[in-house]
Amino acid sequence: DAKTTQPNSMESNEEEPVHLPCNHSTISGTDYIHWYRQLPSQGPEYVIHGLTSNVNNRMASLAIAEDRKSSTLILHRATLRDAAVYYCIPDMYSGGGADGLTFGKGTHLIIQP
Amino acid sequence: EPEVTQTPSHQVTQMGQEVILRCVPISNHLYFYWYRQILGQKVEFLVSFYNNEISEKSEIFDDQFSVERPDGSNFTLKIRSTKLEDSAMYFCASSEALRLALHFGNGTRLTVT
Repeated sequence: DAKTTQPNSMESNEEEPVHLPCNHSTISGTDYIHWYRQLPSQGPEYVIHGLTSNVNNRMASLAIAEDRKSSTLILHRATLRDAAVYYCIPDMYSGGGADGLTFGKGTHLIIQP
Repeated sequence: EPEVTQTPSHQVTQMGQEVILRCVPISNHLYFYWYRQILGQKVEFLVSFYNNEISEKSEIFDDQFSVERPDGSNFTLKIRSTKLEDSAMYFCASSEALRLALHFGNGTRLTVT
């Protein structure tokens, strides 16, 4: 699996944008980049994923570097509900079957009111 | 929005006992997963299941573990003879297709005494 590096924690203020970085320098050409988050006492929650182009959905935007060695999850206007651990997960293509995603330690995002 | 449901939310059992953790995945999903998270540690992949058979399993998923889809709606994880170190949150997840978003339940907290 591609190795990822994320800050252990980040802090932001409510209603401000948040940029969560992830380095995945060993990513292979067929890996998608997935982002999940885990709110306190809940299961992980899918946020967004992409391959090469930047992606937007109702939760967030994903900016992928041209060389694909890094990506940034953007929360446009953080709320207190966005306080969670955010995981960046390159998905290795195994050539078949349903492979499990590998969660790292993630970034603990703290939102100040 | 459809969701993955897990029961019970908390299970306490004695060492050596068998436990069955139950999950109802989202109805049109085809891929099913179990993960676990020991308190304060990473979310770890256990097993994936597709077309009524195990697709992939991790080293954690040894002979003490088994999974089953006994009918069209439930997906179960059985631990035959629980150990203290099996104490963890167990998360079930499902996805509509390979490499699409995984939808997680809120977990079953297993406490082995």
